[in-house]
Amino acid sequence: DAKTTQPPSMDCAEGRAANLPCNHSTISGNEYVYWYRQIHSQGPQYIIHGLKNNETNEMASLIITEDRKSSTLILPHATLRDTAVYYCIVRSDSSARQLTFGSGTQLTVLP
Amino acid sequence: EAGVAQSPRYKIIEKRQSVAFWCNPISGHATLYWYQQILGQGPKLLIQFQNNGVVDDSQLPKDRFSAERLKGVDSTLKIQPAKLEDSAVYLCASSLSITGANVLTFGAGSRLTVL
Repeated sequence: DAKTTQPPSMDCAEGRAANLPCNHSTISGNEYVYWYRQIHSQGPQYIIHGLKNNETNEMASLIITEDRKSSTLILPHATLRDTAVYYCIVRSDSSARQLTFGSGTQLTVLP
Repeated sequence: EAGVAQSPRYKIIEKRQSVAFWCNPISGHATLYWYQQILGQGPKLLIQFQNNGVVDDSQLPKDRFSAERLKGVDSTLKIQPAKLEDSAVYLCASSLSITGANVLTFGAGSRLTVL
């Protein structure tokens, strides 16, 4: 599975959009981009995933560039409860392999 | 639906002692995972089950760690004897299937401190 690169930390003002970038320049054509987050003292939580089209659900939006080498997770109106470590993971859905977590981005939402 | 249940939430032991963690996945989830998360790092997979068979245990330190999933439902992870470096949170996760959209549901984890 392709490797991802994320900034180690980011801050965002409460009520503003949080834009979390992820680089996956070696992504293959059949690999999806997954986002999970982990709030302090909890297990990771699935947010969203996509292949090439932009995706939106009740939690967030995922924007994938046309060349698929990078993506951005958008939390449209960040709240204090969105403070967490956000993990970007690339994986093929035809693979039996597990998700491989990196170090992620620590997002801190400031009041 | 009920989430992934894990117990105990916290455990403190001395090195060379043994410990066991229990996981009850979401009903109907065929795939079960155990991850180890050391402070400040992302979770690392220890073992992956499909029903009651092992799919991947390549990163499980087999000289001290063991895991089983009896009847393809509950699972137990055991460490014997424990070392200081085993201090970590042990996360259990489950998913509907092994391929396809890999949406894992995680439990809250079991925090182990080895003194």
